[in-house]
Amino acid sequence: DTAVSQTPKYLVTQMGNDKSIKCEQNLGHDTMYWYKQDSKKFLKIMFSYNNKELIINETVPNRFSPKSPDKAHLNLHINSLELGDSAVYFCASSQSADGEQYFGPGTRLTVT
Amino acid sequence: GEDVEQSLFLSVREGDSSVINCTYTDSSSTYLYWYKQEPGAGLQLLTYIFSNMDMKQDQRLTVLLNKKDKHLSLRIADTQTGDSAIYFCAETPSGYSTLTFGKGTMLLVSP
Repeated sequence: DTAVSQTPKYLVTQMGNDKSIKCEQNLGHDTMYWYKQDSKKFLKIMFSYNNKELIINETVPNRFSPKSPDKAHLNLHINSLELGDSAVYFCASSQSADGEQYFGPGTRLTVT
Repeated sequence: GEDVEQSLFLSVREGDSSVINCTYTDSSSTYLYWYKQEPGAGLQLLTYIFSNMDMKQDQRLTVLLNKKDKHLSLRIADTQTGDSAIYFCAETPSGYSTLTFGKGTMLLVSP
């Protein structure tokens, strides 16, 4: 069973479009995260939710909006996509806010 | 802010030991992690160590922590070609949940 899953795995879209990436974890964890990995493989936190509440919101354009319908899901919606949004986006989860984090397989977003 | 540094590349022969090094600046780091990323894949948690430990061994993996020098290393014994991947060091300070990652060390294992 996949512990942390993301869909889609690949997403190619044009500038200006709006797209969503979905994340689900079946580990019963309380905390979920979104990370962005740029072309140089550098990973940076974007958001963190604990029990469906936003607890970390790093400096990210407000075109990015996370949504957590329940503890097992954290979706990422991106409005008005730009070329610089091209990256791999990783979802992660942890049992608690300080627990070790388990990552999903990533979604490679390409904006043309 | 927090900073985590790693060397970018390491090449070893199959059967040798690999040592990947990491330094961090945040003295309040509580949890330190090693993640492995194979080509085109997600991040896999390999092992972690708490800041009150000096060493942790898990099969072929040995993590050493020098808290005074803020230096973390990952030793892989009997390195195999399947160990070829990018290895990320990451830390999180007490009370926070986010990880600060290094830029990753690409390990290339040749037969």
